[in-house]
Amino acid sequence: AQKVTQAQTEISVVEKEDVTLDCVYETRDTTYYLFWYKQPPSGELVFLIRRNSFDEQNEISGRYSWNFQKSTSSFNFTITASQVVDSAVYFCALSEPHSSASKIIFGSGTRLSIRP
Amino acid sequence: DADVTQTPRNRITKTGKRIMLECSQTKGHDRMYWYRQDPGLGLRLIYYSFDVKDINKGEISDGYSVSRQAQAKFSLSLESAIPNQTALYFCATSQGGQETQYFGPGTRLLVL
Repeated sequence: AQKVTQAQTEISVVEKEDVTLDCVYETRDTTYYLFWYKQPPSGELVFLIRRNSFDEQNEISGRYSWNFQKSTSSFNFTITASQVVDSAVYFCALSEPHSSASKIIFGSGTRLSIRP
Repeated sequence: DADVTQTPRNRITKTGKRIMLECSQTKGHDRMYWYRQDPGLGLRLIYYSFDVKDINKGEISDGYSVSRQAQAKFSLSLESAIPNQTALYFCATSQGGQETQYFGPGTRLLVL
């Protein structure tokens, strides 16, 4: 069965520190997609990134980077030089396109607080 | 203008009332979804629709119904609201073959 675990419920760091949000997933499929979404205090869900299971190349986008490792079933998200505007709840998610319902399973989220 | 809109954005209702939440999208996507978010539980799928004639139950469909009036519109109804349906509700869309879902701004529902 699909499962996404975000073991860190809350993280608090001081501005300019680097922070890594962990995500571990379970799936039986060989083809799947992984996502990260950001939910700022205003409440909307913002899509950040999608990776497919065949592409383990790490990705960097500005201060954001993602480390995908199939060997450990992890898809971790690192924010470098954090800023107060990064404060949000971050969700990791998994979808299996060949399942009977092409839906996304979300982790329970990690609340990130960046202190000035 | 937002690609996925939800109305109302906030709603307070009483136990036993019928209420409808509406979702519209201009992205041209064929798939639409309704989720609810509760603190500490992430998002859970209520219903999803792959096209106008295709409606499917998600993991927590009891107490809810949906209608796909057009490709761009997907509404969620609570026939008789109860307090444990108090939550943040999200509509999402995706294009078949593309797995990324795009979310509306959410509707905060309070059932007294």
